[in-house]
Amino acid sequence: RKEVEQDPGPFNVPEGATVAFNCTYSNSASQSFFWYRQDCRKEPKLLMSVYSSGNEDGRFTAQLNRASQYISLLIRDSKLSDSATYLCVVNRYTGNQFYFGTGTSLTVIP
Amino acid sequence: NAGVTQTPKFRVLKTGQSMTLLCAQDMNHEYMYWYRQDPGMGLRLIHYSVGEGTTAKGEVPDGYNVSRLKKQNFLLGLESAAPSQTSVYFCASSSDRVEGQPQHFGDGTRLSIL
Repeated sequence: RKEVEQDPGPFNVPEGATVAFNCTYSNSASQSFFWYRQDCRKEPKLLMSVYSSGNEDGRFTAQLNRASQYISLLIRDSKLSDSATYLCVVNRYTGNQFYFGTGTSLTVIP
Repeated sequence: NAGVTQTPKFRVLKTGQSMTLLCAQDMNHEYMYWYRQDPGMGLRLIHYSVGEGTTAKGEVPDGYNVSRLKKQNFLLGLESAAPSQTSVYFCASSSDRVEGQPQHFGDGTRLSIL
């Protein structure tokens, strides 16, 4: 079983739409959680960390459910510039290992 | 404010040639990582280092060697390049000073093996 699983999409949504991505992780010992954004042929960039109580950064909201081992990212009022691949990442402090999902592709359509 | 710098950015090699990819970070991070990314496969860990002078194997280490002689540098070597090593290689670093810190990535090296 993969450490991190994501729906690969693609998600094609109109500008202004709300879109949600989900991610599950297999190891209950995972301790930190992140969403990264990756543009085509570029490096992954940190979008936001995910905290147990949930957190929001502008149009982006991240949620964590430790009991279900589930992470989500909600994007409101989608912009063309949100088009990218979104990577779910989990971290275990032992050895400071990071585990990446294969990413969910989003295209925002004018 | 360089962060993580990778050199070279692009390279084309012939099968059997050797080369070294350099990763340098200026954030005083303890941990450094080398990944490869192939279409549909996501990021796969090749080797990593938890500090100067230490290295460890990741998920796909075969055909690669690494060295961490200085804290700020992490080198990835291909001794005898094979077409299967055509990929985009990313270096990353992270801090050990506070738990739960994210990784910071370099902008990648695009390597083609003919």
